[in-house]
Amino acid sequence: GAGVSQTPSNKVTEKGKYVELRCDPISGHTALYWYRQSLGQGPEFLIYFQGTGAADDSGLPNDRFFAVRPEGSVSTLKIQRTERGDSAVYLCASSSLAGGLREQFFGPGTRLTVL
Amino acid sequence: AQKITQTQPGMFVQEKEAVTLDCTYDTSDPSYGLFWYKQPSSGEMIFLIYQGSYDQQNATEGRYSLNFQKARKSANLVISASQLGDSAMYFCAMREGLDTGRRALTFGSGTRLQVQP
Repeated sequence: GAGVSQTPSNKVTEKGKYVELRCDPISGHTALYWYRQSLGQGPEFLIYFQGTGAADDSGLPNDRFFAVRPEGSVSTLKIQRTERGDSAVYLCASSSLAGGLREQFFGPGTRLTVL
Repeated sequence: AQKITQTQPGMFVQEKEAVTLDCTYDTSDPSYGLFWYKQPSSGEMIFLIYQGSYDQQNATEGRYSLNFQKARKSANLVISASQLGDSAMYFCAMREGLDTGRRALTFGSGTRLQVQP
């Protein structure tokens, strides 16, 4: 079956613009996670959804970042008024309710560059 | 304090040899899980192995084993019989609060492993 997919694979934008990053989890996975990976670092947790609701958004850095998952499947990470420091690879992961106790399955990421 | 510390930015190993990648962690939570992920140049994070804090035995998955020393708070990854395809970044990660339903993973800064023919 298909893995986690993310679109676009690359996004270049200008400082101050709004961007949306999309994640399509593995079919049937109820849990969805967003992470951000800056150059030379490990991924940093942003937000976790269980179904349609955000169960943990403690990693969102500020109110410019927002994520939704309206139907419990596809999720969109939204960044307003982008800043150069937002440049990073944004990773999405999903897991089944039971499987999430162990592995989270990651997508290939979206590389965001803010000029 | 760093939650996950990986002190080896880069490691070299000869093909077919074993290699140990170091990871130490910091938590006061009694219930936690430790993970290792591989990230090839393609960018995807690939799950390798998991160890729960209450597991009595060290985890093994094929050529991967986790040397879990709870008192020392270390969770080193051992790769036996290295292959050229093992060249990648390796990340240690922890999930705290297993009994509270927390799901967030905290990652270390990674170790770049290069396998030489």
